[in-house]
Amino acid sequence: RKEVEQDPGPFNVPEGATVAFNCTYSNSASQSFFWYRQDCRKEPKLLMSVYSSGNEDGRFTAQLNRASQYISLLIRDSKLSDSATYLCVVNLRRSGNKLVFGAGTILRVKS
Amino acid sequence: NAGVTQTPKFQVLKTGQSMTLQCAQDMNHEYMSWYRQDPGMGLRLIHYSVGAGITDQGEVPNGYNVSRSTTEDFPLRLLSAAPSQTSVYFCASSYIGMGVTGNTIYFGEGSWLTVV
Repeated sequence: RKEVEQDPGPFNVPEGATVAFNCTYSNSASQSFFWYRQDCRKEPKLLMSVYSSGNEDGRFTAQLNRASQYISLLIRDSKLSDSATYLCVVNLRRSGNKLVFGAGTILRVKS
Repeated sequence: NAGVTQTPKFQVLKTGQSMTLQCAQDMNHEYMSWYRQDPGMGLRLIHYSVGAGITDQGEVPNGYNVSRSTTEDFPLRLLSAAPSQTSVYFCASSYIGMGVTGNTIYFGEGSWLTVV
């Protein structure tokens, strides 16, 4: 079983739609969680960290469910510019980095 | 702001050749790392360093060497290139932080390597 699993998609949605991605992780000792965005042929960039209480940044909402060992990303009012691959990232260490990356979920927003 | 700079962006190698991917960061980050990204797989850690003079192996270190003589630079050497090393390589850096907010990873723009 992969340490971090994501549905590869692609998720094809119209502009304005709401879309949600889930990501499951296998190591219950995982300490911190992130969503990164990666555009085609570009480097990954931090989209948002995922806090235990859930957090929101504009149209993006991230949730963590430690009991079921998954994190989610909700995108409201999708824009064409949201088309990208979304990477789920888990850090197994409290201090420093031991990052495990999911393979990513492809989102395509169409007009 | 330069951030993380890696070169070259594209390279074609013949099997058995050696080469070095360069990586430099200007953010005074302690932690630097190299990842490879292959289709359908997440980024996999090759080698990492927590400071000058300190390096360690990641998940897929075979066939690669690194050194960290300065805080800024972290080159990745392919000793004898093989077709299995065809991949996209990303250098990354961060502070050695605590918890959720301390660990933002900054990536270079990537190096596309093809071994024929």
